[in-house]
Amino acid sequence: KNEVEQSPQNLTAQEGEFITINCSYSVGISALHWLQQHPGGGIVSLFMLSSGKKKHGRLIATINIQEKHSSLHITASHPRDSAVYICAVRFYNNDMRFGAGTRLTVKP
Amino acid sequence: EAGVTQFPSHSVIEKGQTVTLRCDPISGHDNLYWYRRVMGKEIKFLLHFVKESKQDESGMPNNRFLAERTGGTYSTLKVQPAELEDSGVYFCASSRLTGDHGYTFGSGTRLTVV
Repeated sequence: KNEVEQSPQNLTAQEGEFITINCSYSVGISALHWLQQHPGGGIVSLFMLSSGKKKHGRLIATINIQEKHSSLHITASHPRDSAVYICAVRFYNNDMRFGAGTRLTVKP
Repeated sequence: EAGVTQFPSHSVIEKGQTVTLRCDPISGHDNLYWYRRVMGKEIKFLLHFVKESKQDESGMPNNRFLAERTGGTYSTLKVQPAELEDSGVYFCASSRLTGDHGYTFGSGTRLTVV
């Protein structure tokens, strides 16, 4: 069964804090996406991973294929990072499933 | 390259009316996907086109929803008649058929049925 679980559901941080959002999935995948959805509703693709680690600015995404787990880290968080972060996984049968999202609020 | 374009960005309609959402994928992207997020729930898959053909429409909620992709370019998603529970944000994404399957998402259409 293709399942994606994300945690935490809600996260509040102070500006400058290091943030980690986690994503676990049930079976083998071909790719994992981290997405960002701002209050206006639009979705931005942050990363696509199939192995290892990627970094873009203050954002770092890692994936452990053996453990079926990925993390999204934000260093030196800022209020403008406040958004919903969504993990999306494409399984080998091309089924794409989304986590429920993590609502991040960064307070100044 | 231009991104995935969706319009309208917002639509407010009355229950029972018809609404048509449009998605223009990135040129050359044969895969086109429709998803939606209803209030408080995770994003759900609706359907997948490969060029003009429906590859998978298992996520379409009922026969009030009709998706087309004539000519394999842009796609439309029609809701007729709209119900209150159809309110949400409808996303479109596209990707190339082969190679690195990076998805590009559109900014979504926020549909409100009143």
